[in-house]
Formats: sequence, C-alpha cells, structure tokens
Amino acid sequence: NAGVMQNPRHLVRRRGQEARLRCSPMKGHSHVYWYRQLPEEGLKFMVYLQKENIIDESGMPKERFSAEFPKEGPSILRIQQVVRGDSAAYFCASSPPTVGTGGKVGYTFGSGTRLTVV
Amino acid sequence: AQSVTQLDSHVSVSEGTPVLLRCNYSSSYSPSLFWYVQHPNKGLQLLLKYTSAATLVKGINGFEAEFKKSETSFHLTKPSAHMSDAAEYFCVVTPMNRDDKIIFGKGTRLHILP
Repeated sequence: NAGVMQNPRHLVRRRGQEARLRCSPMKGHSHVYWYRQLPEEGLKFMVYLQKENIIDESGMPKERFSAEFPKEGPSILRIQQVVRGDSAAYFCASSPPTVGTGGKVGYTFGSGTRLTVV
Repeated sequence: AQSVTQLDSHVSVSEGTPVLLRCNYSSSYSPSLFWYVQHPNKGLQLLLKYTSAATLVKGINGFEAEFKKSETSFHLTKPSAHMSDAAEYFCVVTPMNRDDKIIFGKGTRLHILP
C-alpha cells in the first residue's frame, strides 16, 4: 500500500504561470482533502472532494484556484496565474467513507508539494 | 526523526465532565505543535497551536493544551465536555521553520455520552 502520493514534491513557477498539483489517494479511499500550509500557521482547509463531486470548497480562494477528482486518475489542484503569495506547501489527505468505521476518519496525509513562485 | 503518538484511538466521556486527549511527540528540532479537530464530512479545523511562546495554549471552544518539554507531551484538555465536541482530534508536529514537513498522529475519536 503506497499511501497517499503527491507529485511533484517541489514545483517552481514564474508569476503568471499555472501550477498543477496531483494527489493519488490510498487504495480504497474515496475522499480527498486539500490543505495549504503557511509558515507556523498550520494547515488551512481548502477543499473536500469525492470522485466527480466537490463536497466542500469553503476554503478555496474565489479566483484562480480550482480542484477536481475525476472518476479515473488523481485529484488535481490547479492554480492559475500564480502570484508570490501562492508560495506554500500544499498537502493532500485521503480517507475512506466514515460510515461503519465507528466515526474514525482514517485520515492519511501525503508528503506535500512545495510550490515556490519566483 | 520526528514522530507523534496519540495514545488513545477512542475516548469516551460523559457530557459535562473533563476531556483529556493525550499526545506525545519526538522531534530533533524545536517543534511547532498543533491540535486539529475534524467533524464528519468536514475538513480539519485548527483548535490551537504552540510555537515557542507560552507553554499553556488556549484554543477555540474552551480547549487548552500544555507543552511539557520534559515529558515531550502536548495533551489537549477541556474542563467540561459538550455534545458538539464529539469528533476526531489530531495532534500534529511541524519542525520549526519547516512548513513543508508535517507529522500527524493517528487521531483520537472523542465520544460524548449523554
């Protein structure tokens, strides 16, 4: 079981370019979460998806950011026209449905993608 | 090497009684420590954080945690449990100045009995 796979591990983009971050959930996990981590601020929730469905995107910036989790393939976090303030570590987590697990989320985090905008 | 151990996978308390969720950590660097809560079908929410200031940290919803370096612990407490506290709680370590490296505990499911 390879765990949650995120790639690339490091991504450098110039201002105005697009950044695509990929997350492959653990086998058997149908839920994906994206978080952004800024220095010493902890994780900030961005979006929660199931396959082909966005459940909660209350943490997503209104512009330039989008996320998808298609029926086949990884979840993608897409940032258009990146700016310096987008530089951060982006983490993905996956979990199975919580029903039938005694309420345990069964969370597993990926190793993150470090985005640097120059 | 860094690690986080949440000693209990499930904790049950009665409404109105104290809550104690235990967390021990191991870190080669000066750590930042966090507690997060996750309610069903929601993302993580930050409860509180320790980043080398006061060792007793107050968070939201009446939660507190105390950083004890000698015991390498960062236990989460609340004087009086409420039904709405039923959720899963995660203890997290981040080495200071390394925001691209986080270590999660396995989580503690808190059950509140009426």
